[in-house]
Amino acid sequence: DTAVSQTPKYLVTQMGNDKSIKCEQNLGHDTMYWYKQDSKKFLKIMFSYNNKELIINETVPNRFSPKSPDKAHLNLHINSLELGDSAVYFCASSRLGVPSYEQYFGPGTRLTVT
Amino acid sequence: GQQVMQIPQYQHVQEGEDFTTYCNSSTTLSNIQWYKQRPGGHPVFLIQLVKSGEVKKQKRLTFQFGEAKKNSSLHITATQTTDVGTYFCACDYGQNFVFGPGTRLSVLP
Repeated sequence: DTAVSQTPKYLVTQMGNDKSIKCEQNLGHDTMYWYKQDSKKFLKIMFSYNNKELIINETVPNRFSPKSPDKAHLNLHINSLELGDSAVYFCASSRLGVPSYEQYFGPGTRLTVT
Repeated sequence: GQQVMQIPQYQHVQEGEDFTTYCNSSTTLSNIQWYKQRPGGHPVFLIQLVKSGEVKKQKRLTFQFGEAKKNSSLHITATQTTDVGTYFCACDYGQNFVFGPGTRLSVLP
């Protein structure tokens, strides 16, 4: 069974379009995350979300918005795509706690904006 | 804000040689995690260190957390080709989580 899954695996689209990436976890975790990994392999957290709180990285443009229909899903919606949005986007999940628990990553979605 | 550095950025070793990557934070950490990402893959959790001065071992991998909880290291003894990948430290500051830039390891057979 896949713990954290993402769809699609690859996404090629044109500038200005709106797109969504879906993420689902079947681990029963309370917290989910979205990361962006650029061409230099830097992993940057974009959002973390649990049932009570959405924490947004202040450097993320408001064209990006997470949407959580339920505890097992955290989708990423991107408006007005730009060339600089091309990257691999990873979803992750973890149990909620202090100290933080390990994160389980999805396989990633490679977004290419042309 | 918090800054995380990892050195070296790249490391090429001959199979059987040892390898060490260092992670340094500008401020004190709550805890630190290490992840490995194989080429074309996703980050996979390796270990978490919580206590000052903590040392943990996983087979050929040894992880250390500094006394001041601002730095950490990952040491691999006698590297194998299966160790190829990028090793990231992930720094937990309590309110936010920051990944280091990673150390990319290549192992020549």
